[in-house]
Amino acid sequence: DAGVTQTPRHEVAEKGQTIILKCEPVSGHNDLFWYRQTKIQGLELLSYFRSKSLMEDGGAFKDRFKAEMLNSSFSTLKIQPTEPKDSAVYLCASSPQGFTGQLYFGEGSKLTVL
Amino acid sequence: GEQVEQRPPHLSVREGDSAVIICTYTDPNSYYFFWYKQEPGAGLQLLMKVFSSTEINEGQGFTVLLNKKDKQLSLNLTAAHPGDSAVYFCAVTINMGYKLTFGTGTSLLVDP
Repeated sequence: DAGVTQTPRHEVAEKGQTIILKCEPVSGHNDLFWYRQTKIQGLELLSYFRSKSLMEDGGAFKDRFKAEMLNSSFSTLKIQPTEPKDSAVYLCASSPQGFTGQLYFGEGSKLTVL
Repeated sequence: GEQVEQRPPHLSVREGDSAVIICTYTDPNSYYFFWYKQEPGAGLQLLMKVFSSTEINEGQGFTVLLNKKDKQLSLNLTAAHPGDSAVYFCAVTINMGYKLTFGTGTSLLVDP
């Protein structure tokens, strides 16, 4: 079975640009998460979907970050406008329903904002 | 809210030695506990999930101990090999909620 697929693997953006990161969860998984990973802050939850419904929108992140899940097999994370402090690795993870905390992670999208 | 302290941040051992990573959490309602491994350029991979108090869980080449009395979770790699070199994260949920609070990570280097 295919794991979680994230594209692009690397993205370089100028300050103020809009970028869209994509994620395909493991087939059949009901839960989908977006995390941001940095050396300073570690892993921070951005968004959480259960059966395509947004359950958590990331609090402090919702200003310029918007995650969507248009169907059960595809999610996007839009950052608009980007700022240099958004430089990080963005990880998508999925989980089967009822398997709390047992996340399957993608390899991540590394974003650099100049 | 929940805070998870993980130590040490960096650990270097020789092949065949043991390596111990410890996480201390604060919320007494912490329910599920996890260890994840992250290799360079990759996402996190689940090593083990535990939830019973003072439970020793054995995996392939490692042991996980949960001590709810002291609010500690530990990972012991019993005979480390170079393939164990990675960053290890503990993670905790409150009650049976979905939200994971991650530790800060331990970068383990195993020298051949």
